[in-house]
Amino acid sequence: AQSVTQLDSHVSVSEGTPVLLRCNYSSSYSPSLFWYVQHPNKGLQLLLKYTSAATLVKGINGFEAEFKKSETSFHLTKPSAHMSDAAEYFCVVTPPGGGNKLTFGTGTQLKVEL
Amino acid sequence: KAGVTQTPRYLIKTRGQQVTLSCSPISGHRSVSWYQQTPGQGLQFLFEYFSETQRNKGNFPGRFSGRQFSNSRSEMNVSTLELGDSALYLCASSRVGSEAGNTIYFGEGSWLTVV
Repeated sequence: AQSVTQLDSHVSVSEGTPVLLRCNYSSSYSPSLFWYVQHPNKGLQLLLKYTSAATLVKGINGFEAEFKKSETSFHLTKPSAHMSDAAEYFCVVTPPGGGNKLTFGTGTQLKVEL
Repeated sequence: KAGVTQTPRYLIKTRGQQVTLSCSPISGHRSVSWYQQTPGQGLQFLFEYFSETQRNKGNFPGRFSGRQFSNSRSEMNVSTLELGDSALYLCASSRVGSEAGNTIYFGEGSWLTVV
């Protein structure tokens, strides 16, 4: 079975500083991985996805993630945090062969301070 | 292009009642899946429908059921509501749902409170 582990439940950064949200995955196959963001009282918005093409994936709003098979990681980064980035972020893995039975990490709450 | 639309957005029900939530997928999307989000359990998969057939089911009791119509719209039903069913119910849609890396889009959710 596949799983994802988000290593930090809360991350706090200052506006203008880099963001790093960590995600490790466990899978017996080559996974498809996603990052979603959820703003308060909102649904989930797709930030980016990895599907075994380029290992460095660029997403919306300046976010990017790098797939590292040797480390089984898919960390999310952004060079400079903005106040509007404050939200909860979910690392997600799909089942073998695709499909919509997604497995979510427990989420990382990102706080951005002035 | 309209996104995934869920109705109602907010509702309050009494223990023992039943509830039906509706989801209209993005035009052209044939796969619809449902998730439950709670503070304690996080995001959990309920079920997935494709072309009116349930393709996958999560580990929820039989009180949770769903269906999909020929226009790909979906409903989920929870019978004999319990306090623990209070949650945000999210619907997601995708074009096909079977290929790796298929992009899945979520609605804003239906907030259910059981009192």
